[in-house]
Amino acid sequence: QVTLRESGPALVKPTQTLTLTCTFSGFSLSTSGMCVSWVRQPPGKALEWLALIDWDDDKYYSTSLKTRLTISKDTSKNQVVLTMTNMDPVDTATYYCARAIYGSGSSWFDPWGQGTLVTVSS
Amino acid sequence: SYELTQPPSVSVSPGQTARITCSGDALPKQYAYWYQQKPGQAPVLVIYKDSERPSGIPERFSGSSSGTTVTLTISGVQAEDEADYYCQSADSSSSWVFGGGTKLTVL
Repeated sequence: QVTLRESGPALVKPTQTLTLTCTFSGFSLSTSGMCVSWVRQPPGKALEWLALIDWDDDKYYSTSLKTRLTISKDTSKNQVVLTMTNMDPVDTATYYCARAIYGSGSSWFDPWGQGTLVTVSS
Repeated sequence: SYELTQPPSVSVSPGQTARITCSGDALPKQYAYWYQQKPGQAPVLVIYKDSERPSGIPERFSGSSSGTTVTLTISGVQAEDEADYYCQSADSSSSWVFGGGTKLTVL
């Protein structure tokens, strides 16, 4: 059974750096085709893809946020970490991590973690 | 930036067929995926690679593709299908995008 769980601060101040950890089980990020992605969802709004890291340690970022994002993995701990710098109130959202499977030149997200709500406020 | 366009809302009566569309210029070249999200819950994959159904997803969920539009069809809609539905695809092999979401209301 594949499971993922996000952890990190519920509240951050504007201009601070957010660090989120995704701890997963049931698969290995060293297996070809396996990836982990981060997606966020502001309250009442749509999903937004943020970043993805693959089994080969290749990293991909949203064009609009790439200057603020860093994704990394610790395969031995089954963890993926996302950092986002210079947080702003518009970054208030539920942040999800999800396993991504690469196949046939495409990737999809399944399953997802439960998500963690991050509020940006002074 | 690349966008996927979905209708904001679709309404159907129980037992009817719901069709939710998703349009994007790259869809002829890239697979589409569909996720169901109920209030307060994480998204769940219901269709992958345009028309494949994951195990555990009811047969009433199906997907199709034609040109720049993909469609999620829910046949014999049930009250439990009321949710937000998101399409997802890519504009290349290294950038992913979600549609704006469609709220399905079961009347």
